[in-house]
Amino acid sequence: ETGVTQSPTHLIKTRGQQVTLRCSSQSGHNTVSWYQQALGQGPQFIFQYYREEENGRGNFPPRFSGLQFPNYSSELNVNALELDDSALYLCASSLGGPGYTKFFGPGTRLTVL
Amino acid sequence: AQSVTQLDSQVPVFEEAPVELRCNYSSSVSVYLFWYVQYPNQGLQLLLKYLSGSTLVESINGFEAEFNKSQTSFHLRKPSVHISDTAEYFCAVSEGGTQGAQKLVFGQGTRLTINP
Repeated sequence: ETGVTQSPTHLIKTRGQQVTLRCSSQSGHNTVSWYQQALGQGPQFIFQYYREEENGRGNFPPRFSGLQFPNYSSELNVNALELDDSALYLCASSLGGPGYTKFFGPGTRLTVL
Repeated sequence: AQSVTQLDSQVPVFEEAPVELRCNYSSSVSVYLFWYVQYPNQGLQLLLKYLSGSTLVESINGFEAEFNKSQTSFHLRKPSVHISDTAEYFCAVSEGGTQGAQKLVFGQGTRLTINP
């Protein structure tokens, strides 16, 4: 059984560019959620996908978008990057339903210059 | 709306001393509570969780937390810490909701530093 993996590990972009981050879920998990963790802060919920449909979204603008694929892997896309988008982006997979443990990947460190 | 407050941003303690990391939450509905640990340059790992039943929950590495509904708290404790416990600790809450829509709301984190 493999855990949650994310790619790339690190990424440097400039303002205005677009970025795609990838996440592979833990085997058997049908739910993927994404979190943004700014330096020195707790993670903030971006959105969640359950069986390829977005079913929850935090206070992030529409330029943050995502996809979940039939194999339950997922992408996070961010358009028109801003300096404040610099953060650690964490992906978590779980089974759907309240109380199921979310297993986090190691994260992608995005730096926007 | 849910919120989580971790009352201490940093907690320095000596090795083998006891420690308590404080967490309070606010929510208008019943909640599930979690403690996650983050080691440097890593993602989050679940330490323990409270869903229902016994209000005292334990982890495999000696941590425990007690759910106190009247005080809306879920403090994390360990009777004797080790150097390897040095990490950032996050308290989180989720609400039972519609299928799949159980986001985690995290506190700001507490940096636990163990000194020899």
